[in-house]
Amino acid sequence: SQKIEQNSEALNIQEGKTATLTCNYTNYSPAYLQWYRQDPGRGPVFLLLIRENEKEKRKERLKVTFDTTLKQSLFHITASQPADSATYLCALEREDSSYKLIFGSGTRLLVRP
Amino acid sequence: SAVISQKPSRDICQRGTSLTIQCQVDSQVTMMFWYRQQPGQSLTLIATANQGSEATYESGFVIDKFPISRPNLTFSTLTVSNMSPEDSSIYLCSVGETGVGLGEAFFGQGTRLTVV
Repeated sequence: SQKIEQNSEALNIQEGKTATLTCNYTNYSPAYLQWYRQDPGRGPVFLLLIRENEKEKRKERLKVTFDTTLKQSLFHITASQPADSATYLCALEREDSSYKLIFGSGTRLLVRP
Repeated sequence: SAVISQKPSRDICQRGTSLTIQCQVDSQVTMMFWYRQQPGQSLTLIATANQGSEATYESGFVIDKFPISRPNLTFSTLTVSNMSPEDSSIYLCSVGETGVGLGEAFFGQGTRLTVV
C-alpha cells in the first residue's frame, strides 16, 4: 500500500540557516506532491505543489525538489526565521483516487533566534 | 482560494454523547472532505461529502459512527456519534480541486474534540 515517511524527530536549527525536510514515499509514482504548513491549533496551509516532470520549484525562501527515481522530495527554507517554526506536512495524490490526498505525519521545525 | 469556517473550534464531551461539527465555505465547491488528526499523527481521511447523495466513507469509517450531511455546495456537517475517549482528536474540514494536481487543498481551523 501507499506510504509516506517524514522524519518524526523535530528539526532544531539556528535562525538564518537553511532548513531541509525530507519526504519519502513508496509503492506508487504520484503525478504531483504538495507541502503544507501546520501551526498548533490550526488546519494545514498549502505552500507548494510540484509535478512529476518538475525537478525543482521555488517560492520566495522556499524550495522543493522532486526526485521520482529516489521517490523523495526535499523541502528547503533558506534564511530561516523563528516565525518559520511549525510542522510541515507533505502530501501525495492517492493511488486509488487522484482527487484525494494522503499525508505524511509531518516534521516539526524549530528555529532558534 | 477558499475560506472555510469550522465550528465549534473545540469541545469537551461526555462519552456516549454526539457532537456535530459544521463546515461553511465562502464559495461553491464540488469536493468537500472530512479528516481526523490524532495527536502526533497524520491526517486521515474519514469521508468525502457529496452534495445530493450519501457520503463516501474510507476504510475503517462507517456512516453510523460518522454521519455526514451535505445539503448544498457550501456547507457540510460531520457528527461524531456515541463518543468514546478514542474519538478524542482534531477533526478537519477540507475543500479543493486537487485532481491531477490542479490545485491545493484548503482546510478549516479544525475542531479539537476531547471525550471524557
